[in-house]
Amino acid sequence: EAGVAQSPRYKIIEKRQSVAFWCNPISGHATLYWYQQILGQGPKLLIQFQNNGVVDDSQLPKDRFSAERLKGVDSTLKIQPAKLEDSAVYLCASSLGSSGVLQETQYFGPGTRLLVL
Amino acid sequence: AQSVAQPEDQVNVAEGNPLTVKCTYSVSGNPYLFWYVQYPNRGLQFLLKYITGDNLVKGSYGFEAEFNKSQTSFHLKKPSALVSDSALYFCAVRVSNGYKLSFGAGTTVTVRA
Repeated sequence: EAGVAQSPRYKIIEKRQSVAFWCNPISGHATLYWYQQILGQGPKLLIQFQNNGVVDDSQLPKDRFSAERLKGVDSTLKIQPAKLEDSAVYLCASSLGSSGVLQETQYFGPGTRLLVL
Repeated sequence: AQSVAQPEDQVNVAEGNPLTVKCTYSVSGNPYLFWYVQYPNRGLQFLLKYITGDNLVKGSYGFEAEFNKSQTSFHLKKPSALVSDSALYFCAVRVSNGYKLSFGAGTTVTVRA
């Protein structure tokens, strides 16, 4: 079974530029998550989708971050404009999205490492 | 509010010795607890979880964890550590009436040969 795919793996940009990350979850997984992991910290949830609807985006900096999952499968996370403090690893995860979603294991992709100069 | 604490930034053990990685949590409600491991330049890999039932949970690669409600702890253990267990370990908690999975800051485990 293929895992969660993410691209690109690495990205270097200058501040005030824009950047986009792509995620393809495990086939059949209805729930998709984007996390931000700053060096030395645990992952922090940015946004959670159930199919193509947003479940939780309370920690997404909406003035510069946006995410979409139009067809309920792939997702993109965009930052515009980027700031120095956005340098981090952006992790995508997915889970089945059943009625017991809170108990489900989340499966993570390899992440995209972003460096903002 | 929910939170997870991993009191040790680093754990160093010799190969073949027991390994323990500590985790305590604070939640309002029943907790769902998870352990993940992260190798360099890789995503997080699931090790085990506690949902309900037996307080001792067995997981991947010989790891186990014990849920202790009175001490609000969920320590990860392995009876005999391997050099290949050297990695970054994260504890995470989710409450039964909430969506967000909250992670600890992580513990770096180094197993020396």
